[in-house]
Amino acid sequence: DTGVSQNPRHKITKRGQNVTFRCDPISEHNRLYWYRQTLGQGPEFLTYFQNEAQLEKSRLLSDRFSAERPKGSFSTLEIQRTEQGDSAMYLCASSYVTTGSGELFFGEGSRLTVL
Amino acid sequence: DQQVKQNSPSLSVQEGRISILNCDYTNSMFDYFLWYKKYPAEGPTFLISISSIKDKNEDGRFTVFLNKSAKHLSLHIVPSQPGDSAVYFCASRGGGADGLTFGKGTHLIIQP
Repeated sequence: DTGVSQNPRHKITKRGQNVTFRCDPISEHNRLYWYRQTLGQGPEFLTYFQNEAQLEKSRLLSDRFSAERPKGSFSTLEIQRTEQGDSAMYLCASSYVTTGSGELFFGEGSRLTVL
Repeated sequence: DQQVKQNSPSLSVQEGRISILNCDYTNSMFDYFLWYKKYPAEGPTFLISISSIKDKNEDGRFTVFLNKSAKHLSLHIVPSQPGDSAVYFCASRGGGADGLTFGKGTHLIIQP
């Protein structure tokens, strides 16, 4: 399977704990995006990387959130001191530059439940 | 300040009939519009797109229409099939932001 891969698929944690999600993009894609989706909402942009450079961060990305893409391949999204409001589906997507329509290829998501 | 709006949370259509999903936007700087389809427990998958310089794009059973003056686009699915039952997201590119801006989605239910 050469699609976008995310793990874990589901994470249940207690409030105040740290969690980390991993995303492996499609190998030839140089852009990687993180989105968050809550119930009844569409995906909301969090941040994106071009190769290893983090080029944009949404104001939704509080200082408890940090994302890295150290070698321009896989990426991690860490949430520190989780809060119940962090419960959501975290989606990763990748693309190759922004040619054409800018289509993004999404992974299946990592669902976070904060108790 | 939602820039992409899908005002119908759900839509029910009989199998074989036409499904029409609507989307409105506010930012005239968007240069591409895309539709994504999402099944439960899966990520969104790309369906069809349209450039802002066109008014129609067709791909098999799916056609997207763009009315720039009204800042409105629609996705037509004909004929509708049971496998089309899913949540459909309208998304736009550009407007000063990288990545895509999504609407809240419309849950399409195809009735047998």
